[in-house]
Amino acid sequence: EQLVESGGGVVQPGRSLRLSCAASGFVVNAFPFHWVRQAPGKGLEWVAALSYDVSNPFYAESVEGRFAISRDISKNTLYLQMNSLTSEDTAIYYCARGRGSYFDLWGQGTLVTVSS
Amino acid sequence: EIVLTQSPGTLSLSPGERASLSCRTSQSVGSSYLAWYQQKPGQAPRLLIYGASNRATDIPDRFSGSGSGTDFTLTISRLEPEDFAVYYCQHYGGPSWTFGQGTNVEIK
Repeated sequence: EQLVESGGGVVQPGRSLRLSCAASGFVVNAFPFHWVRQAPGKGLEWVAALSYDVSNPFYAESVEGRFAISRDISKNTLYLQMNSLTSEDTAIYYCARGRGSYFDLWGQGTLVTVSS
Repeated sequence: EIVLTQSPGTLSLSPGERASLSCRTSQSVGSSYLAWYQQKPGQAPRLLIYGASNRATDIPDRFSGSGSGTDFTLTISRLEPEDFAVYYCQHYGGPSWTFGQGTNVEIK
């Protein structure tokens, strides 16, 4: 079982970026999924969640209205669409498999740097 | 929103010593909703403990979790060289997941 993120990079403030998280060894529609980020030298911050039945996405206040979490079952992949990026969004972004209240499997992370 | 406060910020210990890490919540929480993670430099976090006291798969039994209400503890009975890392507690308060600021366990 593995999660592999991609799509990070350097982006200018105000622009958009889409992150991907490819799952292997299990199917994404059987679990809730999350994105968690970590600014350089800082702690962990939960960003977004998608329930297994995609009925309700949830977002941290810091990204509400700018970020959107989704999945593609045919590709067994999770996504995070990030719009109106600011320097405060600079971080390593991890996708994580949810088990209700906690996260039992994490990807290796992808670095997003917002800079002009 | 419930705030998680971890202490100490840094714990300096020698291999073989016992480590006790504290996580205090700003309000009483259910034990089912408290987890602990380990993060080594350049790596993703790894689940250690869920439900306050349940070890995750393949976690050595030198790691144990305890506590209830507002006070939770992660104990490492005898530190191994690979245990020096940053540890985070995490709480679920639906639909929001929050982390403590972390405790760095460093080699003395």
